[in-house]
Amino acid sequence: NAGVMQNPRHLVRRRGQEARLRCSPMKGHSHVYWYRQLPEEGLKFMVYLQKENIIDESGMPKERFSAEFPKEGPSILRIQQVVRGDSAAYFCASSPGDTGPTGELFFGEGSRLTVL
Amino acid sequence: SQQGEEDPQALSIQEGENATMNCSYKTSINNLQWYRQNSGRGLVHLILIRSNEREKHSGRLRVTLDTSKKSSSLLITASRAADTASYFCATDKSGYSTLTFGKGTMLLVSP
Repeated sequence: NAGVMQNPRHLVRRRGQEARLRCSPMKGHSHVYWYRQLPEEGLKFMVYLQKENIIDESGMPKERFSAEFPKEGPSILRIQQVVRGDSAAYFCASSPGDTGPTGELFFGEGSRLTVL
Repeated sequence: SQQGEEDPQALSIQEGENATMNCSYKTSINNLQWYRQNSGRGLVHLILIRSNEREKHSGRLRVTLDTSKKSSSLLITASRAADTASYFCATDKSGYSTLTFGKGTMLLVSP
């Protein structure tokens, strides 16, 4: 039973480019969460999605960031026109959804974005 | 300061000793969770304690929760070198796992 899969693990972008981070939740999980971790910091919640729905995006920056979790395929976190401050590790997590969230999150290994 | 702050920031002990980490938070919660993160890796869930629980055990882990003081502690007994990692507490206000993490405690267990 594969865990949460994130790719790419490392991504380098120049300022102004776009970054796309992908996350496939654990099999059977329909709830996906994105968190961002700056160096020496804890994780900061960004967005919570279920299939085809954004449930809570209170942690998403108002501009340049978007997320989706389509009916088919992985969840995508998209960052347009990246700036150096976007450099961070982005973690995806999933949880079972059929009977509602149970609390525990299963994390992927993260995607580390470096903006030059 | 932010919800879910751990102390100490760093802890260095010898194998076999116990390690205690504390977490304080500011608002009411549905549950509080502890996670471990090895360097450069993702987070691994350790234990969840609900707001109506006071203590919980899992193997060598013991978690307490004091909602009146808005604080929690994580005790790792008989520590091993493999326990070396960062430990984070995370609070869940909504019950939907939109967690608020602290900055973590870095634990170093020396052989």
